[in-house]
Amino acid sequence: AQSVSQHNHHVILSEAASLELGCNYSYGGTVNLFWYVQYPGQHLQLLLKYFSGDPLVKGIKGFEAEFIKSKFSFNLRKPSVQWSDTAEYFCAVNAGDSSYKLIFGSGTRLLVRP
Amino acid sequence: EAQVTQNPRYLITVTGKKLTVTCSQNMNHEYMSWYRQDPGLGLRQIYYSMNVEVTDKGDVPEGYKVSRKEKRNFPLILESPSPNQTSLYFCASRPSIGPTETQYFGPGTRLLVL
Repeated sequence: AQSVSQHNHHVILSEAASLELGCNYSYGGTVNLFWYVQYPGQHLQLLLKYFSGDPLVKGIKGFEAEFIKSKFSFNLRKPSVQWSDTAEYFCAVNAGDSSYKLIFGSGTRLLVRP
Repeated sequence: EAQVTQNPRYLITVTGKKLTVTCSQNMNHEYMSWYRQDPGLGLRQIYYSMNVEVTDKGDVPEGYKVSRKEKRNFPLILESPSPNQTSLYFCASRPSIGPTETQYFGPGTRLLVL
């Protein structure tokens, strides 16, 4: 069965620090990859997505992610975080014959200290 | 404004008392789904619907029912709620089952079953 792993469950950073959140998936075929963000008390919203082309994808609010097929990874990055980036981040994938189904990772809670 | 709405946003109930959480989208989306979000487990799909009168089980369907009589509405029904259904529930929709489509989420319903 397909699965998505986010190994960092909690991350604490100071403002201006760089961020990298890991995401690995288990599927050997074509995948479509997403990062969603959930700010405190709000619903999930899309940060960025990858389905083809340039493996380095840029999203909103200065976030980017790199798809590395050989590592089955889609890590999220931001060069300099802000206090307002405090949120929970979810990686998600749809793949293979269940391409309509979105499978989510367990999420990473990011706390940015001012 | 394009959106997914859910009601109620917060609900406290007792074991065995039937309840319905409504979900409505105004974007003419074909695909709708329900998720539950639990700490450390991310989002897990309960049920989904690819179009009117077409519904199917997700990963954790036990104890839930859904219906899709109209394109815009996708209510979640708990016939006999139990404490293990205490969770945060999200409804989501997207234009079609296409794998690259962005999924839009509702604001969430926080349910406590005593």
